[in-house]
Amino acid sequence: DIQMTQSPSTLSASVGDRVTITCRASQSISNWLAWYQQKPGKAPKLLIYKASSLESGVPSRFSGSGSGTEFTLTISSLQPDDFATYYCQHYNSFPVTFGGGTKVEIK
Amino acid sequence: EVQLVESGGGLVQPGRSLRLTCTGSGFTFGDYAVSWVRQAPGKGLEWVGLIRSRLYGGTIEYAASVKGRFIISRDDSKSIACLQMNSLKTEDTAMYYCIRGLTIPGAKYWFDPWGQGTVVTVSS
Repeated sequence: DIQMTQSPSTLSASVGDRVTITCRASQSISNWLAWYQQKPGKAPKLLIYKASSLESGVPSRFSGSGSGTEFTLTISSLQPDDFATYYCQHYNSFPVTFGGGTKVEIK
Repeated sequence: EVQLVESGGGLVQPGRSLRLTCTGSGFTFGDYAVSWVRQAPGKGLEWVGLIRSRLYGGTIEYAASVKGRFIISRDDSKSIACLQMNSLKTEDTAMYYCIRGLTIPGAKYWFDPWGQGTVVTVSS
């Protein structure tokens, strides 16, 4: 199985900060990677697919990049609504697996 | 609006069975794969399984942790998918989400949207 490792596990930031979350795959997954946002008590929401494709309706301050084994999710200017937990997920093959999550907290 | 709604969760004893149902609306249910993902209390996301659309054979994939115990099925005429959970263990306790699977033809699946989830608690 392909392992997905996210870093950091927790991130403290202020409104307006540029935030970067990293996701590493244990083997190459090309660009078959998605990012999800989850707020407390809510279901996850798709932000990015195919590593860098922005899902419709997602604010443009979110962006994704990378290929192979290393990927990043960037929030260009953190907004109050962005405090949440973020997960990466590979879908190169079955079983698909998720990273452990990155919690973005208010500094 | 595309929507998925799960039902059937509850409290069940170890070793018993439970059946979850996922009802889709706002899209042509039969044209899409359906996946199940679970989240144990305070933990991350764990993929459970996926059933492809009839276009791609309706074949099913399972996580190793549930293979042989869980069965995924679908009835496109009713826009539902089911997760039959047998021989339940305490470690199966989680929120279970049903999700539409989006694909680049039949091989790669990402997930959107997610249902609101249904809680399964396995305890004596």
